[in-house]
Amino acid sequence: SQTIHQWPATLVQPVGSPLSLECTVEGTSNPNLYWYRQAAGRGLQLLFYSVGIGQISSEVPQNLSASRPQDRQFILSSKKLLLSDSGFYLCAWSVPNQPQHFGDGTRLSIL
Amino acid sequence: AQSVTQPDIHITVSEGASLELRCNYSYGATPYLFWYVQSPGQGLQLLLKYFSGDTLVQGIKGFEAEFKRSQSSFNLRKPSVHWSDAAEYFCAVLTNAGKSTFGDGTTLTVKP
Repeated sequence: SQTIHQWPATLVQPVGSPLSLECTVEGTSNPNLYWYRQAAGRGLQLLFYSVGIGQISSEVPQNLSASRPQDRQFILSSKKLLLSDSGFYLCAWSVPNQPQHFGDGTRLSIL
Repeated sequence: AQSVTQPDIHITVSEGASLELRCNYSYGATPYLFWYVQSPGQGLQLLLKYFSGDTLVQGIKGFEAEFKRSQSSFNLRKPSVHWSDAAEYFCAVLTNAGKSTFGDGTTLTVKP
């Protein structure tokens, strides 16, 4: 069966520090991969999605970037975090014409 | 452009009462529709999905949803709510670009 792992679960970072969140999927090949941000009490904002290695689409201009160095690995990064980057970050995967499956999320707090 | 509207931001029901969460979508083609549930601090879990065929679909945890094309709706129902059902619920539509558009969610509170 397919599983998705996302880490860390919680992260507290100072303003201006770098960021790296990692997501890996097991049990499927060439999945579509997604990064979402969820502000407190709000819906999901799609940040990035990828349909293959090295193929990244950005949905909104921002302080973040994403990379897909391997088929089932998706990384969310920032060189310098802003206060506004605080939130709950979710990674998800899917195959064509099927629903997305989500990781457990990372709670990011910026001080 | 596709969109999903969940008209109710917050719903409170008593334990044992029936539940209906509303979802309206806007999509030009035949939609693929989903409902997800999110407990606090957790990811989203798929409750059920509609692709085609029978317009009443059954999901996990005793939930069901009915697709009504004429009303562009996909409402989620449960006959008897349990305290553990308290969570955030999201409706979503899959677009032909392979991405999903999500509603803003409905928070369910269950009174004892």
